[in-house]
Amino acid sequence: ELKVEQNPLFLSMQEGKNYTIYCNYSTTSDRLYWYRQDPGKSLESLFVLLSNGAVKQEGRLMASLDTKARLSTLHITAAVHDLSATYFCAVDRAGYALNFGKGTSLLVTP
Amino acid sequence: NAGVTQTPKFQVLKTGQSMTLQCAQDMNHNSMYWYRQDPGMGLRLIYYSASEGTTDKGEVPNGYNVSRLNKREFSLRLESAAPSQTSVYFCASSPILVTEQFFGPGTRLTVL
Repeated sequence: ELKVEQNPLFLSMQEGKNYTIYCNYSTTSDRLYWYRQDPGKSLESLFVLLSNGAVKQEGRLMASLDTKARLSTLHITAAVHDLSATYFCAVDRAGYALNFGKGTSLLVTP
Repeated sequence: NAGVTQTPKFQVLKTGQSMTLQCAQDMNHNSMYWYRQDPGMGLRLIYYSASEGTTDKGEVPNGYNVSRLNKREFSLRLESAAPSQTSVYFCASSPILVTEQFFGPGTRLTVL
């Protein structure tokens, strides 16, 4: 069974600080996705990582994938309040669906 | 383009009632999915449809049925609602199976 674990599940950080969210998964997969969800809203696709060593950056967020370690990271640089949201990673499950982590709730405070 | 749309946005049911959640996409995607989201559980796949005319069970299919009406529409039916089905339901679509998925706005369902 494919398990996807995110760490931490809750994160409160100050504006301007850096932090990393980790996503570990239990079986081989070359494809990993990051989504953002604002409270009461739908999921918005952030990054699609399709190979070992893939790195994608958008603004203050950077995602990377290490398929050998079965690990993806979402790095936040100089956090701002607008980044407050829940972030999900999702891994290809047996070629037919995505298996989601439980999400990391991020709160950026002044 | 509207992307993925879902109706209704909110619904309250009594135990034992039935209802159908509607989902439509206008992106010409082949694959469609139904998830439920519960606090602290992430998203769990209920059913999916790889292409028009096919449907398959996901992780938590019990108590649900689906219909892929055509390429655009994928509905989820609760035949006899139970309080355990109180959740937020998301429909998603993708060009083919397990590529980037695009999500609808969700339906908040409460079963009393």
